[in-house]
Amino acid sequence: DAGVIQSPRHEVTEMGQEVTLRCKPISGHDYLFWYRQTMMRGLELLIYFNNNVPIDDSGMPEDRFSAKMPNASFSTLKIQPSEPRDSAVYFCASTVRIGTVNTGELFFGEGSRLTVL
Amino acid sequence: SQQGEEDPQALSIQEGENATMNCSYKTSINNLQWYRQNSGRGLVHLILIRSNEREKHSGRLRVTLDTSKKSSSLLITASRAADTASYFCAVYSSASKIIFGSGTRLSIRP
Repeated sequence: DAGVIQSPRHEVTEMGQEVTLRCKPISGHDYLFWYRQTMMRGLELLIYFNNNVPIDDSGMPEDRFSAKMPNASFSTLKIQPSEPRDSAVYFCASTVRIGTVNTGELFFGEGSRLTVL
Repeated sequence: SQQGEEDPQALSIQEGENATMNCSYKTSINNLQWYRQNSGRGLVHLILIRSNEREKHSGRLRVTLDTSKKSSSLLITASRAADTASYFCAVYSSASKIIFGSGTRLSIRP
C-alpha cells in the first residue's frame, strides 16, 4: 500500500517567491494534518482537515500561509511570499476517523524540506 | 504552544541497556501516542495508550500513563543500535488535535 506521499522532497527558493507543497493522503483516510518541524520550535500543528474541510487553522503562522484540500486525495500548503524564517521540514499526515474509539494514529509522509534563501 | 514536553532531551546509552523517556502534558486527553523519527524521515507510530489505561506493552516497548500527574513514560528494553532515533509523545485531546512534544534524541552506543 502506498503511504502518504509528499512533494517536493526538497525545495530551495529565494525570499519572496511562492512555494507550494503537495500531499496525497492514504486512500480512505478522512483526516489530514499539516505540521512544520524546526529545531527551535519542534513539531507544530499548522492546520487539519476532516472530509476535505478545514477544521482548525489556528496554527497557521501568518496570512502568507494557506492550505487547501480540493478533494479527498490531494492537499496543498502554499506560502506566498516566502521568507527565510519559513525554512523548515513540512510534514503531511493522515488518519481515519478520530473519535473516542478510533485511535487517531497518524501516518506521516517523508516531509518536504524547504529552504528559503 | 506544544502540548507535551519530553525529558530528557537527549539520552545516550550502551547497547543492551534499557532506555526510559518521559512525557508531560497539560490538558485532558483521549489518548497518548509515541512516535519514532529516524534522521531525515517522517514519524512512525509506535504505540498508543488510552486515557483509561495505565500500562501497555508492545514487543520491547512499555508505556505507562498517569493521568493524575499528566505524564507518560516510554521504556525500550534491551536497546539495539537500530533504536537510535528521536522519540516523540503526542496527545490527542477532545478537540481532535494531535499535538507533539519536543522529543528525546536517543543514541545507542555499540
